[in-house]
Amino acid sequence: EPEVTQTPSHQVTQMGQEVILRCVPISNHLYFYWYRQILGQKVEFLVSFYNNEISEKSEIFDDQFSVERPDGSNFTLKIRSTKLEDSAMYFCASSLGQAPYEQYFGPGTRLTVT
Amino acid sequence: AQSVTQLGSHVSVSEGALVLLRCNYSSSVPPYLFWYVQYPNQGLQLLLKYTTGATLVKGINGFEAEFKKSETSFHLTKPSAHMSDAAEYFCAVTPISGSARQLTFGSGTQLTVLP
Repeated sequence: EPEVTQTPSHQVTQMGQEVILRCVPISNHLYFYWYRQILGQKVEFLVSFYNNEISEKSEIFDDQFSVERPDGSNFTLKIRSTKLEDSAMYFCASSLGQAPYEQYFGPGTRLTVT
Repeated sequence: AQSVTQLGSHVSVSEGALVLLRCNYSSSVPPYLFWYVQYPNQGLQLLLKYTTGATLVKGINGFEAEFKKSETSFHLTKPSAHMSDAAEYFCAVTPISGSARQLTFGSGTQLTVLP
C-alpha cells in the first residue's frame, strides 16, 4: 500500500540554524501539506501546496518557512533560522485533491531545537 | 472559522468495554469529518470519514462514528475495546466548499485500555 514517507525521523539542531525536512508524498497525489504538533498540543496546519505553488498557509507559516517540490517526488519544508519554539513534530500529508479531500500522513519528523 | 472540540483528553476503558470518544464541531455548514488514530511513535492513520449519505460510518479496526447534524457531533465508538486500541485519537474537519482544504484538528483523546 502506498504511503507517505518522511526523513529524518528525528532532527536536532541549534537555534539559528537552517533545517530542511523531507517528505515523499504518495505518487499520484496532487495536494501536499505540512502540519506540526508541539508536544502536548493540537496538530496545526502550516501550509498546503498544489500545482507547484502554495495554495494556503496559516499564520504560523511566516517568512522563516518555505516549501518546495524540487523534483517529481520530494516535498520539503525549510526553516531558515530555527527558534526554540519551532521544536515540534512535523507531519507531511498528501491527498488526491478530490472530495472529501482525505489526507494521508507520514510518520513525522521530530525537530528539537537547542 | 471552523473548530473542533474533543471532550476528555484522557479516556480509560477496560478491555471488552465500550469505547466512546466525543467530538463536536463548530461550523456554519457541516464539514467533511474524519477520525485519525496515532499509535506511539507513529504518524496519523485515517480511521474513518463522513462525507454525505448514511450518517453511521464504519472504519477500520471495528470503529464506527455517527454524524448528528442537530448536535454538531461525530462521536467515535467501538463496542468492545482491545488492548491494541490504546492510542491517541484525533477528530478533524475540512470544509465541503471553498478552496480551503486544510484539516482542523481537535486536541486529541488519549485512550487507555485496562486489562
